[in-house]
Amino acid sequence: QSVLTQPPSVSAAPGQKVTFSCSGSNSNIGNNYVSWYQHLPGAAPKLLIYENNVRPSGTPDRFSGSKSGTSATLAIAGLQTGDEADYYCGTWDNSLGTTYIFGSGTKLTVL
Amino acid sequence: QVQLQESGPGLVKPSETLSLTCTVSGDSTSKYYWSWIRQPPGKGLEWVGYIYNSESTNYNPSLESRVIMSVDSSRNQCSLKLSSVTAADTAVYYCARLRLELRSRALDIWGRGTMVTVSS
Repeated sequence: QSVLTQPPSVSAAPGQKVTFSCSGSNSNIGNNYVSWYQHLPGAAPKLLIYENNVRPSGTPDRFSGSKSGTSATLAIAGLQTGDEADYYCGTWDNSLGTTYIFGSGTKLTVL
Repeated sequence: QVQLQESGPGLVKPSETLSLTCTVSGDSTSKYYWSWIRQPPGKGLEWVGYIYNSESTNYNPSLESRVIMSVDSSRNQCSLKLSSVTAADTAVYYCARLRLELRSRALDIWGRGTMVTVSS
């Protein structure tokens, strides 16, 4: 069972906006930057967002991230069929030494 | 452009040691931190640990007693050994570059992963 809680699935139609939540605690999200990773079937996971809301070069501006307290959110606007993937939040946890933890992942279905 | 390629046996017997290699192209292994992450079938991602130049390691406490990571700079490779494996270690294993020296401390480049099955 993951320390970071994500809903198992979300779905939306092309063109719509969808959000993914990631809930943690003070030992992880509350005191560390959050990253988001996109995992397309059969592909290498890809860093989508880092430092809560920064897009690496190559991440379209349709993707945005935010953090408030011990929760983080990823939003995708203008949904495309190619966005169908698993999305994971990730951050460091200070409660057991320094450990990197991932959320349980949310599967996005584009209807 | 940095690329990572994992390799190793796809089948390991219970109680034996799983050994994987990550070959890095496009940059030097000596400049960065390297991490291993795994994903059991139907489950989420689990961080295994990281290494820097064979000088510094940090392992997931749940795996620490069984994990050894190393870096071979002459071959531009990093390696993972996981001992006394059981069926619970069956997973796709990924290597990734960890930017621990930056404020983000994120995993910014990943390999495509290699599937390892533990079975007799």
